[in-house]
Order: sequence, then C-alpha cells, then structure tokens
Amino acid sequence: DAGVIQSPRHEVTEMGQEVTLRCKPISGHNSLFWYRQTMMRGLELLIYFNNNVPIDDSGMPEDRFSAKMPNASFSTLKIQPSEPRDSAVYFCASSLGTGTENTEAFFGQGTRLTVV
Amino acid sequence: GQNIDQPTEMTATEGAIVQINCTYQTSGFNGLFWYQQHAGEAPTFLSYNVLDGLEEKGRFSSFLSRSKGYSYLLLKELQMKDSASYLCAVNRGSTLGRLYFGRGTQLTVWP
Repeated sequence: DAGVIQSPRHEVTEMGQEVTLRCKPISGHNSLFWYRQTMMRGLELLIYFNNNVPIDDSGMPEDRFSAKMPNASFSTLKIQPSEPRDSAVYFCASSLGTGTENTEAFFGQGTRLTVV
Repeated sequence: GQNIDQPTEMTATEGAIVQINCTYQTSGFNGLFWYQQHAGEAPTFLSYNVLDGLEEKGRFSSFLSRSKGYSYLLLKELQMKDSASYLCAVNRGSTLGRLYFGRGTQLTVWP
C-alpha cells in the first residue's frame, strides 16, 4: 500500500481565498483524522471520521473550516475564507480502529499551507 | 482538559542512552503512544502502552505508570539518525479514541 496520500504537498494562497486539502486514507482503514501542526500549538486534532461519518469536530477552529468524507477512500478539508493565521502543516492520518481497540494511526506527508 | 508535558529539547552523543519523559493529566485514558517525527516529515509510530510496565522494541522501550500519569521513552545505542522530535500522545478513550499530543521533544544526537 502507498500509505496515506495527501495533496497538494505545498500550497501558497492569498488571504480570503478558498483552500481545499485532499486525503486518501490507507485502503481498509475505517478511521480518518485531520491534524494541524504549528510551532506555537504543536499537533492538534481538528476532526475525525469513522466509517465516513464525522464523530468529533470539536477541534475545528472556526466555521471557516469544514471537512467531508464522501466515501471510504477520500476526504477533504476546506478553509473558506483563508487567513494568514491558518498557515500550518495539515496532516491526514488513518487507522484501523474498531470499537475500543487502539491501533496506531498512519500519517500522510502533510500539506504545508502558507496564507499571505 | 488535557495537559501533556515533555521537555522541549534534549541532546546526547552517539552510542549513549537517553530517556524522554512525558507526564499527562487527562479526563479519560485509553493508552499512550510515542511517535517520532523527523524535520519536514510525517510522525511515525514507535510504541503503545495501555497497561503499566515496560514495552521493549529493539533499541526503543517505553514505560507507563497510569497511577502517576507518567511515561518515558528510552532510546539505547543512539545513532545520528535518531535526531528527531519525539511526540507523546494520549488516547482519551470513549467509543473511538482521539489522540492528544504533547509539544514534542527535539532530540539532537552528536557524534
């Protein structure tokens, strides 16, 4: 398996523009996570899905952020409108977590977002 | 709330042993993970503890004491390639866990 695939790897956009980040989880994994990493705040969980259903979006910072998972092999994180403070590395991760089992999360290579 | 504390930076020399500590206070606990992250790369899984005690995996070992809210990652026979950030993460549990990460410990291994 190619692992978790994210696109784009780098994105530079102007303030106010819409940004869409994409993620393809590992085939067969039923949990998907979106994280954001900054120097100031470290790695923060934004939202996670189980079987394509959003379970907890309490980490989503504002209404400007939205995430979807239309099927088991694809998810998007959208920021509209983007602001300079959204600049960060956004990671997508997936795991084969069922019930109360704990399995490791595999991370994608991340999207480095710069909003100018 | 969740408080996960680990040292910001550590240094060591090749061949040495280093211990990275992590303390946590969290409402609900369902396991503790250690991840390694090289600069500019994704975090990769190192170890998982849910019961008290030591888990050994080659050069890396991880220890957990749930009563003390304490864990450590022990790295033996350090190599230059071990220079990285080491992230402690707590799984809160509930139906499906969510990971709360510490800020990471930047380890630099000198020749």
